[in-house]
Amino acid sequence: KNEVEQSPQNLTAQEGEFITINCSYSVGISALHWLQQHPGGGIVSLFMLSSGKKKHGRLIATINIQEKHSSLHITASHPRDSAVYICAVDTGNQFYFGTGTSLTVIP
Amino acid sequence: GAGVSQSPSNKVTEKGKDVELRCDPISGHTALYWYRQSLGQGLEFLIYFQGNSAPDKSGLPSDRFSAERTGGSVSTLTIQRTQQEDSAVYLCASSLLAWTGELFFGEGSRLTVL
Repeated sequence: KNEVEQSPQNLTAQEGEFITINCSYSVGISALHWLQQHPGGGIVSLFMLSSGKKKHGRLIATINIQEKHSSLHITASHPRDSAVYICAVDTGNQFYFGTGTSLTVIP
Repeated sequence: GAGVSQSPSNKVTEKGKDVELRCDPISGHTALYWYRQSLGQGLEFLIYFQGNSAPDKSGLPSDRFSAERTGGSVSTLTIQRTQQEDSAVYLCASSLLAWTGELFFGEGSRLTVL
């Protein structure tokens, strides 16, 4: 049983396209995190959400607590957005991670 | 420091040996977390510290794993009698307060057990 489910697992997009990555979870959470991991690189936190919506540049993250669902949107995608995006939830004493979405943006 | 620092960045060891991995969090961050990422696998949460205290050690994979934190700063993750399945990248993150703050990750320590 996976506490966090992400979709799609792999995504290829043309530069400029609007991208959505989805995350569903089954546990009660304190917060949801969206993380980015570039190939061979470290992990960077993009957003931490406990309700509503956050925007940072071309990235938007939303969460619906009642539906236990979050989305990460990338507007006007760029090849430098190519990375693995990971959804993580924290329950206040434990983290659960999605398996990640591998995004490739083609010029 | 400016960021979360982990050492060593790479460690190759023989099966059965003990290893120590170190994490130096961002100055002032009271919360520290350990994770691991096995090859081709997702992230797995191991343990967290609030100050020097680790309230829940149930995420550690076996009793060969232990972690401590001293002075509310540096943490060490120790793996005794390493096994090949321990091979992974061990990641550390810190946040200002436990469970309420943005996570800042180190670059990880890649452990290979031969």
